[in-house]
Amino acid sequence: AQTVTQSQPEMSVQEAETVTLSCTYDTSESDYYLFWYKQPPSRQMILVIRQEAYKQQNATENRFSVNFQKAAKSFSLKISDSQLGDAAMYFCAYRRGITGANSKLTFGKGITLSVRP
Amino acid sequence: EAQVTQNPRYLITVTGKKLTVTCSQNMNHEYMSWYRQDPGLGLRQIYYSMNVEVTDKGDVPEGYKVSRKEKRNFPLILESPSPNQTSLYFCASRMMDRGSGMQYFGPGTRLTVT
Repeated sequence: AQTVTQSQPEMSVQEAETVTLSCTYDTSESDYYLFWYKQPPSRQMILVIRQEAYKQQNATENRFSVNFQKAAKSFSLKISDSQLGDAAMYFCAYRRGITGANSKLTFGKGITLSVRP
Repeated sequence: EAQVTQNPRYLITVTGKKLTVTCSQNMNHEYMSWYRQDPGLGLRQIYYSMNVEVTDKGDVPEGYKVSRKEKRNFPLILESPSPNQTSLYFCASRMMDRGSGMQYFGPGTRLTVT
């Protein structure tokens, strides 16, 4: 079974600085997708960034980027120029690449990020 | 606007009183699923459906039922709720593809069972 591990329950960052959130996963599959979701106090699940396992290039979305290390099964999220609105819980998630079967999202436990003004 | 809706958003109930949380999507998605979120556990899948009349258990199905009579709706049924089902529930939907497709989440339902 696939597992996703987020070992840090909480992190804090100064506004305008950079922070990295860690995530490791375990799978025997070669075709899969990795995601970072943001959950603000509104509890809405917001997709931050997505990475396809077959792509070597790290995904980037504005101030958000990932460091995808496939051999090490590591998928960290870097937030640059942190803003107060980045304060939220962040979940790392994994999904198998498969058609016609339950391709569920497997989530880590989440990390609470606070941003200091 | 593409969206997944859930009702109610908040619910406080008592042990044993049957309840239904509705979920509806307007994107013609085949795949729908329910997750529960608990502190320190992340989100875990309860049930999923790959199309009308096709449903199956996820990782934590005990105490829940679902149905998929129409493509757009996927209600979650708690026949006899217990306090350990107090949780935050999310419905989600997406196209049936190889897993790359965007997954849409509902706004969540906060359930408290006393």
